[in-house]
Amino acid sequence: KQEVTQIPAALSVPEGENLVLNCSFTDSAIYNLQWFRQDPGKGLTSLLLIQSSQREQTSGRLNASLDKSSGRSTLYIAASQPGDSATYLCAGCSGNTPLVFGKGTRLSVIA
Amino acid sequence: GAGVSQSPSNKVTEKGKDVELRCDPISGHTALYWYRQSLGQGLEFLIYFQGNSAPDKSGLPSDRFSAERTGGSVSTLTIQRTQQEDSAVYLCASSTSGALLETQYFGPGTRLLVL
Repeated sequence: KQEVTQIPAALSVPEGENLVLNCSFTDSAIYNLQWFRQDPGKGLTSLLLIQSSQREQTSGRLNASLDKSSGRSTLYIAASQPGDSATYLCAGCSGNTPLVFGKGTRLSVIA
Repeated sequence: GAGVSQSPSNKVTEKGKDVELRCDPISGHTALYWYRQSLGQGLEFLIYFQGNSAPDKSGLPSDRFSAERTGGSVSTLTIQRTQQEDSAVYLCASSTSGALLETQYFGPGTRLLVL
């Protein structure tokens, strides 16, 4: 059964800093790994989706990597801004199961 | 274009009452998912509809929970005899066909509070 863990649970950084959010999963037979952003009181917004055949995806200041052998994914945020403050969730899909989510990392970017 | 919508946005009910939560997926999306997000917990999969196939109900926590999808579009999640532990945000998502490589698009959720 796929389990997804995110560390740290919360992170506070000054504006402009580069940062890395970590996600680990137990089942290496993963089809894709997705990163989402959740703002308070709102639904999830998909940020990046990495297929199992890929190693990374980039969108603007965001870069997500996937290492199936080690069961890890990272989300790199460059030049962080206060508007990046949100909860970031990673989720993995393996076999015929739906997405399995981690509990998220709550990011605060301080101006 | 219109995204996934859910109603109501907030629901307060008394223990033992039944509640119905509604989800309108993105037009044309054949796959629809329900998740639950409890305080301090990750999103928990509840049920998955894909086209005309039998739904995957493997995530439903008890027989008090059920869901329907009428006409391949709108879905209703019903919780009977609500308990305080049912308090959570219930999120709905849809995707184009339900293929494993697709992005899921989420609605804003329904925040349920059982007193």
